[in-house]
Amino acid sequence: SQQGEEDPQALSIQEGENATMNCSYKTSINNLQWYRQNSGRGLVHLILIRSNEREKHSGRLRVTLDTSKKSSSLLITASRAADTASYFCATSNRDDKIIFGKGTRLHILP
Amino acid sequence: DTAVSQTPKYLVTQMGNDKSIKCEQNLGHDTMYWYKQDSKKFLKIMFSYNNKELIINETVPNRFSPKSPDKAHLNLHINSLELGDSAVYFCASSPRLVLSNYGYTFGSGTRLTVV
Repeated sequence: SQQGEEDPQALSIQEGENATMNCSYKTSINNLQWYRQNSGRGLVHLILIRSNEREKHSGRLRVTLDTSKKSSSLLITASRAADTASYFCATSNRDDKIIFGKGTRLHILP
Repeated sequence: DTAVSQTPKYLVTQMGNDKSIKCEQNLGHDTMYWYKQDSKKFLKIMFSYNNKELIINETVPNRFSPKSPDKAHLNLHINSLELGDSAVYFCASSPRLVLSNYGYTFGSGTRLTVV
């Protein structure tokens, strides 16, 4: 069954603005990961946050995790045209499976 | 050098045919996976292999048969193709099982169209 659920489904912002995407999940997790998928391409791993971590940074990316609310957010600061893509959260649990959400389509407007 | 490579990139075939998709990784990873992405972009795990051993076999029709001749290769054979099999199939690998907190490296996908 699907674990992660991203919100919003689609997001359009002006270049230079910050983009925030959210992910909610249902069961306990080992870690949560964010991936980017450009149109017609494979997924690229962006960042992984463990269940005992609350925040993680990587360049212009900031990920938070709230295990009490079973939610995570991905913040992209100072967005660029190249950030236009679909973003997926994925959760890993004890079953050794990574389960993906349906993704957020992010469009950066020039 | 491509880390995870899949062939072919596109595959158009008629219903009832049998086809194979190949995947190879040169990262030295222990674990490989097959995912199916449908038209709504939903990614669903199909299989995972750890060092040639089947670990995960989701509820997938037995027309789909993975084969791992060595830990660098995971192929997917599909018998009696149906219209509903049309999707993008992604191969992925990770250093070891996900409980060790590693992300996946994905191939660029194989777009399968059954007509």
